Amino acid sequence: GESVGLHLPTLSVQEGDNSIINCAYSNSASDYFIWYKQESGKGPQFIIDIRSNMDKRQGQRVTVLLNKTVKHLSLQIAATQPGDSAVYFCAENWENTDKLIFGTGTRLQVFP
Amino acid sequence: DTGVSQDPRHKITKRGQNVTFRCDPISEHNRLYWYRQTLGQGPEFLTYFQNEAQLEKSRLLSDRFSAERPKGSFSTLEIQRTEQGDSAMYLCASSFLGGGTNEKLFFGSGTQLSVL
Repeated sequence: GESVGLHLPTLSVQEGDNSIINCAYSNSASDYFIWYKQESGKGPQFIIDIRSNMDKRQGQRVTVLLNKTVKHLSLQIAATQPGDSAVYFCAENWENTDKLIFGTGTRLQVFP
Repeated sequence: DTGVSQDPRHKITKRGQNVTFRCDPISEHNRLYWYRQTLGQGPEFLTYFQNEAQLEKSRLLSDRFSAERPKGSFSTLEIQRTEQGDSAMYLCASSFLGGGTNEKLFFGSGTQLSVL
């Protein structure tokens, strides 16, 4: 069935450290993946995306890694800041349709 | 602010009443999506439009739910005879699809529905 899951429901990091948020997906036919950040009371905010023909993509302070062999996606945040505190969702394009399937999310807590 | 606006931000209603939500997407976007999100969960796909055509509806969308996008711009989502289980955040998102490639979705801030 549809399944995009996360390994850790809550991740606590100290300000300035790097954060790694992991996600497992189940559909090997998915060809597009996105990470979203959601703050309380707001809609999901796009962070970074990656297509299946790539294994790494970098943005500003964020890097997404895709391992298609084990169907694993990760989001790395460098020098984590208090403003990074939020719930992070990975999403996959399901079976080459035009809808995104979301996982259950990981809460990132940043401590001073 | 992503440019996708939803109205109202909050709606409290009694069980059995009808409610309607509105979404205004980013103006040049031809695709519009509705998702539902409950506390602690990721957004669940409900339906989407390309221009004014409704292309797919989730099996989660019962007959009490209807969505329209009459002119290919704003969209409305109506829930008839609301039930307590309908309480959730209803999210709208839009994207521009061109050249056969997937495009990222831009989400609004959602409408929080509470059914008493």
